[in-house]
Amino acid sequence: EAGVTQSPTHLIKTRGQQATLRCSPISGHTSVYWYQQALGLGLQFLLWYDEGEERNRGNFPPRFSGRQFPNYSSELNVNALELEDSALYLCAGSTGLNLISYEQYFGPGTRLTVT
Amino acid sequence: QKEVEQDPGPLSVPEGAIVSLNCTYSNSAFQYFMWYRQYSRKGPELLMYTYSSGNKEDGRFTAQVDKSSKYISLFIRDSQPSDSATYLCAMSVSLDTPLVFGKGTRLSVIA
Repeated sequence: EAGVTQSPTHLIKTRGQQATLRCSPISGHTSVYWYQQALGLGLQFLLWYDEGEERNRGNFPPRFSGRQFPNYSSELNVNALELEDSALYLCAGSTGLNLISYEQYFGPGTRLTVT
Repeated sequence: QKEVEQDPGPLSVPEGAIVSLNCTYSNSAFQYFMWYRQYSRKGPELLMYTYSSGNKEDGRFTAQVDKSSKYISLFIRDSQPSDSATYLCAMSVSLDTPLVFGKGTRLSVIA
């Protein structure tokens, strides 16, 4: 069974540009979570999508947005990039039904570098 | 004070040692506690989870939760070089609330 996939692996952008990151969860997983893992800050929750709806949002500005498609894949958009947006962006999927199903399966991440 | 505190290490131990990894937290509403392992250039993978207080054992791994002290631990027995990774604690208030992660502890097990 294929794991969670994320693309691209690396992304280099300049300040002010927009970045689009993509995630495909494991087949059967309907919830997608996005995290930012910046150096020295640990994983910080960004967004949670379930069945196409935004369920929860972390403490990030509105220029971080996303969506979930009918096939449960997801896209994270970061507008007006700032230098401090440089980080590893991780996507995770789960079935979201009970504690065991809330186990989140992570992808390998997209390394975003803003220059 | 951050909601979840975790010593970043690095922690270096000889092969076969018992490793103790810990997190403290400030939010007494946390009910679900998890430990993830993250190898270099990979996403985290769930090692263990517990609900509320108590111990849970899985092979060489034991997770402990002490809600009265707001303290959780992960013990690794007979540590192996393949255990070398970053270990992240995570917790949530309910199944509908996001996980709050510690910063992770880097562990090196030396052969």
